[in-house]
Amino acid sequence: GENVEQHPSTLSVQEGDSAVIKCTYSDSASNYFPWYKQELGKGPQLIIDIRSNVGEKKDQRIAVTLNKTAKHFSLHITETQPEDSAVYFCAAGNYGQNFVFGPGTRLSVLP
Amino acid sequence: GAGVSQTPSNKVTEKGKYVELRCDPISGHTALYWYRQSLGQGPEFLIYFQGTGAADDSGLPNDRFFAVRPEGSVSTLKIQRTERGDSAVYLCASSLLWGPDNEQFFGPGTRLTVL
Repeated sequence: GENVEQHPSTLSVQEGDSAVIKCTYSDSASNYFPWYKQELGKGPQLIIDIRSNVGEKKDQRIAVTLNKTAKHFSLHITETQPEDSAVYFCAAGNYGQNFVFGPGTRLSVLP
Repeated sequence: GAGVSQTPSNKVTEKGKYVELRCDPISGHTALYWYRQSLGQGPEFLIYFQGTGAADDSGLPNDRFFAVRPEGSVSTLKIQRTERGDSAVYLCASSLLWGPDNEQFFGPGTRLTVL
């Protein structure tokens, strides 16, 4: 089955700097890659996703890149703000299987 | 509109007891998912429903775990003979349709503590 790894496990950045979180997956059949943000005491919330026919997707300060050959994808957050502090999860999936989530990255944005 | 709600928000029980966790999905969502999230880990898939039927229960760890969705809306996750290792946050999510590119909306979770 699918296995998703995520790095780093914790990340601290200064407000205004960029943050990058990287994930790798094992199943070459996976074709959908969402990113979720989880704040303390809440369930995960989708922030951006990418499909395998696209190499990059951007939404304001958030972007995701996908390298299907290398089986890795990354989340990029620019101009970080304190409210970006949360745990971020990547996931991989395709039709016929349900999501497999990575172990998460705790992002702290220091004012 | 209302999001996914889960009750109770916290449940403390003793080893060996039976517990039920409830999930109210977003109205009209046909797909409903249960996940388990241990401390410091990502959500781990347990089971998902398409309508009333469990379409994939491959993530349930053993036969002490069971879930139902009798009318295609509210779902209950049932755990028999609880063990300390069952302690975790149990998350429920729903989506309009099944499929990995249908956004899953998560509830806040039920924190289960087995003493």
